[in-house]
Amino acid sequence: GAGVSQSPSNKVTEKGKDVELRCDPISGHTALYWYRQSLGQGLEFLIYFQGNSAPDKSGLPSDRFSAERTGGSVSTLTIQRTQQEDSAVYLCASSLFGTNGDTQYFGPGTRLTVL
Amino acid sequence: GNSVTQMEGPVTLSEEAFLTINCTYTATGYPSLFWYVQYPGEGLQLLLKATKADDKGSNKGFEATYRKETTSFHLEKGSVQVSDSAVYFCALSGPHNNNDMRFGAGTRLTVKP
Repeated sequence: GAGVSQSPSNKVTEKGKDVELRCDPISGHTALYWYRQSLGQGLEFLIYFQGNSAPDKSGLPSDRFSAERTGGSVSTLTIQRTQQEDSAVYLCASSLFGTNGDTQYFGPGTRLTVL
Repeated sequence: GNSVTQMEGPVTLSEEAFLTINCTYTATGYPSLFWYVQYPGEGLQLLLKATKADDKGSNKGFEATYRKETTSFHLEKGSVQVSDSAVYFCALSGPHNNNDMRFGAGTRLTVKP
């Protein structure tokens, strides 16, 4: 079956521009996560959606970052007024229930480069 | 808060060598523990997991045992292959829900023929 998909796969933008990154989770998965992977670093949690509950935004690094999930499926991560330190691979994952021990399935990521 | 510390790489081994990648964690209660692998040019994928103390996760010849007493989840393989070359991430979630997942920094393994 189809896995988690993300688009675009690569995005190059200029400092100060806004970008939108898209994630299509696995059909039927109720939980969706965004992470950021900087060069040589581990994964940094950004935001978590679970069903109709309010999202957990505790990992967002600044108010320039926001995300939404429409209809409990597709999610968009928006970065406003991009900075060079935003350059990273942005990973999306989904899981069936979002409960402890539930396996997260990752998309291929979007590589963002801010010039 | 919850955190994971894993052995820094890179690790370079010859084919058929024994592999250990250390992982220790800090968490309240009983989290679930995971090893994810990222092969060159591919996305992250689950390698194995354990959801309670003393459980052993295993897959593709890799094993890791959830040790509550030492707060560890070390990854081992008895005989590595060139195809095992990848970056390995230790991670934990919970104990109450899955949104609290934390990853280690990753360990790059290169296996030479």
